[in-house]
Order: sequence, then C-alpha cells, then structure tokens
Amino acid sequence: DTAVSQTPKYLVTQMGNDKSIKCEQNLGHDTMYWYKQDSKKFLKIMFSYNNKELIINETVPNRFSPKSPDKAHLNLHINSLELGDSAVYFCASSPGLAPVTDTQYFGPGTRLTVL
Amino acid sequence: AQSVTQPDIHITVSEGASLELRCNYSYGATPYLFWYVQSPGQGLQLLLKYFSGDTLVQGIKGFEAEFKRSQSSFNLRKPSVHWSDAAEYFCAVGASGNTGKLIFGQGTTLQVKP
Repeated sequence: DTAVSQTPKYLVTQMGNDKSIKCEQNLGHDTMYWYKQDSKKFLKIMFSYNNKELIINETVPNRFSPKSPDKAHLNLHINSLELGDSAVYFCASSPGLAPVTDTQYFGPGTRLTVL
Repeated sequence: AQSVTQPDIHITVSEGASLELRCNYSYGATPYLFWYVQSPGQGLQLLLKYFSGDTLVQGIKGFEAEFKRSQSSFNLRKPSVHWSDAAEYFCAVGASGNTGKLIFGQGTTLQVKP
C-alpha cells in the first residue's frame, strides 16, 4: 500500500545509454513532481505535472523527458546518459492543483549511477 | 530570487539533549516554509509547515519550528532527541504562484550519540 512508489530503486548503466524511471502514486493526487538530489544532497525540482499537463520545467537538458500517461503515473526518460546524471531521483505528488501550501509526498528514490 | 540556507552541514547531539537546526530564507513576501526529514534510504517526509498565523508551529515526532520574520529564520527544535531522529533535515520555501515549486536548503545531517 505504498503511497508513492518508484522503480527501479537502483540503476547502474553506461554513458550514452537511454534509461527510464517509473513513478506511481495511489493517493489520488493531481500533481506529480521529479526532483534530483546530487552527491552533496542538494535537492532541486526538475519537472511537475498536473493532470498530465506540464507545469514546471526547470532548465533541465532536453535529454530528460517526463511522460505522464495518466495522473497516477509520471515516468522519467533519460537519453544519452552522462556521468553528471548520476544522482538520486525522487518522485513526489501533492493533492491539489499545485498550490504551494499543499504537502508533497515523496517516493523512496532511485539511485542512478552512470559509469 | 528565493533561496534557503542551512548553515550547519552536520550536527551531532547526544540522545536526550535538545536540538536546534537553523534555517534562513530569502523571500520578498510572506514565505511558505517547510521542514522535511529524510531517513537513510528513504524519501522525504514533511515534519511541519508554516503559512501564516502563530509563528510557533508544531509538527510530527515532537518537532516544532519558530518563524522569525525579523531574522528571516525558521529554526527547527526538539526538546529531547531520540536515536531514531538521526537523519537528513531539509528546510524549504515555497515559490510564489501555483506551481508547487519548493526551493530546498542544502540539508543538515543529524547524528545522535548514545
């Protein structure tokens, strides 16, 4: 009965490969997010979607493409992986139409290592 | 631009001792402020949040935080720390507009000594 789940938990891959991370929430929330946490634990938002519509796109390289097939899922596809993409990626969701006052619920994270 | 600073990268306290984690923010208007906790290998969990009203906010797990506009601070406190409180703590400010965007500080790692 995990609220926000991500797969895989760990992902190790070679430079230049393409990979996807999946996120699902069973909370019935309208808004979903992707965050990147770097090696210094600095956490920064990448994207947010509200009801399958892109709201935030934070100057992320276009090698990163979020896809929301329905409001319960927000997947992150990364093309041509680079060493600097190594990080922990967190998915999150919030109930409303993304007012800043809503609580965000985070998934357990996916640790991506690019060799 | 909005920003959040957590001056202490790492703090060690003894179990049973009191705790204060510092957070300073930069924001033009009344800020929306949050504290999240990240336990090892886990996602972030909301401890408490402040939007308006009483400047002393109570949260889960016995934590509280005090908003001080004059100092641009939102420090997190706990009177008696438990070993299970060892984790990473993040302060965040909510960006204006209905985007849900949170701007996080660098985090403070809390270590608890037995």
